[in-house]
Amino acid sequence: GAGVSQSPRYKVAKRGQDVALRCDPISGHVSLFWYQQALGQGPEFLTYFQNEAQLDKSGLPSDRFFAERPEGSVSTLKIQRTQQEDSAVYLCASSLPGRGDEQFFGPGTRLTVL
Amino acid sequence: RKEVEQDPGPFNVPEGATVAFNCTYSNSASQSFFWYRQDCRKEPKLLMSVYSSGNEDGRFTAQLNRASQYISLLIRDSKLSDSATYLCVVIRNQAGTALIFGKGTTLSVSS
Repeated sequence: GAGVSQSPRYKVAKRGQDVALRCDPISGHVSLFWYQQALGQGPEFLTYFQNEAQLDKSGLPSDRFFAERPEGSVSTLKIQRTQQEDSAVYLCASSLPGRGDEQFFGPGTRLTVL
Repeated sequence: RKEVEQDPGPFNVPEGATVAFNCTYSNSASQSFFWYRQDCRKEPKLLMSVYSSGNEDGRFTAQLNRASQYISLLIRDSKLSDSATYLCVVIRNQAGTALIFGKGTTLSVSS
């Protein structure tokens, strides 16, 4: 596709449910990033992949958050036992190798935990 | 203290006004600097990179002062379409890849 796509666009979960958020990066972009944007805040870095390797997961807020990119293209962010404070927009971005300074963002998944 | 701090908003200005946004960063090792624009309920998009020598793109001018760890964005002749949230962004170090965002400053341009 022409840009980064994410699905679902909206997700409502009951507290305690597990959710999985998908990101399809731009073709050829080996670098992939996940960010969390709470209401009224700027995006905050969660994790970074280069191809299938997760090189930085320092931003993941707890062990309930897990990300994978098994074939180096599509990535999934999984949140286990969701809590209300997980409500946010989850943004995925991708970039060409060595061009982390130019990241292209997807439209995000808006997660609401009730 | 957050790593990137921005002017609190919102800024409400009439069309044609000049408006300036300021940003400070706390990590002196920060290497690269940007302004992103985010429209309501949309994803952030790169507006422009910021260099020590200053750079201009049409009505937009960005400046970096490394000594003061200060970044600015000037918008001249504001248009209604400039209404958005402007995010100050740094990359922490040369090997870094994560974008570190400020909270954002909201601009509303009215006719």
